[in-house]
Amino acid sequence: RKEVEQDPGPFNVPEGATVAFNCTYSNSASQSFFWYRQDCRKEPKLLMSVYSSGNEDGRFTAQLNRASQYISLLIRDSKLSDSATYLCVVNGNQLGGSNYKLTFGKGTLLTVNP
Amino acid sequence: GAVVSQHPSRVICKSGTSVKIECRSLDFQATTMFWYRQFPKQSLMLMATSNEGSKATYEQGVEKDKFLINHASLTLSTLTVTSAHPEDSSFYICSAQDRGTEAFFGQGTRLTVV
Repeated sequence: RKEVEQDPGPFNVPEGATVAFNCTYSNSASQSFFWYRQDCRKEPKLLMSVYSSGNEDGRFTAQLNRASQYISLLIRDSKLSDSATYLCVVNGNQLGGSNYKLTFGKGTLLTVNP
Repeated sequence: GAVVSQHPSRVICKSGTSVKIECRSLDFQATTMFWYRQFPKQSLMLMATSNEGSKATYEQGVEKDKFLINHASLTLSTLTVTSAHPEDSSFYICSAQDRGTEAFFGQGTRLTVV
């Protein structure tokens, strides 16, 4: 089983649609979970952290199910500017001190069409 | 917020030459930095963990003699691709974690070896 596995995509949706991304991780000892957004030929940028209680930031909702080792991201009322690759990221092995190694999923490409 | 600066953003070099990429944390001290490589339509793959004042830790399959990492200070890590070949052409990104949680990425370096 891959360390972090995401929906392969790509997703093509019309403006205003709701789209959901799923992700599973294999390391049950993982501590922290994130969704990053990466635009074409750019560096990844943090979209939101994912908490066990679930968290919402505007049109974006992230959920974590530790028992199932499953993470999700829901985007409501999608905009053209949401078009990007969404990366599921898991904070895994501790390297010492306060540093952890991040493991990235392959990413899911989202294209929002007018 | 924390900023990581990476330089150069783009480099074209001849096969057999070496290329140095710099990664600086601008407003925090990073005892650990990470170097990733990303091929087209692939996810970020961790190459190595750069530790200030000690040797880097390389991921399996990454040649330490080819990808030289130096982390001489708390704000600077460098990656040198030695004797570059066309198959080394890729997008190289560094990151640093402030207080061990959120990762901040450099802008990335697009290396083309001709």
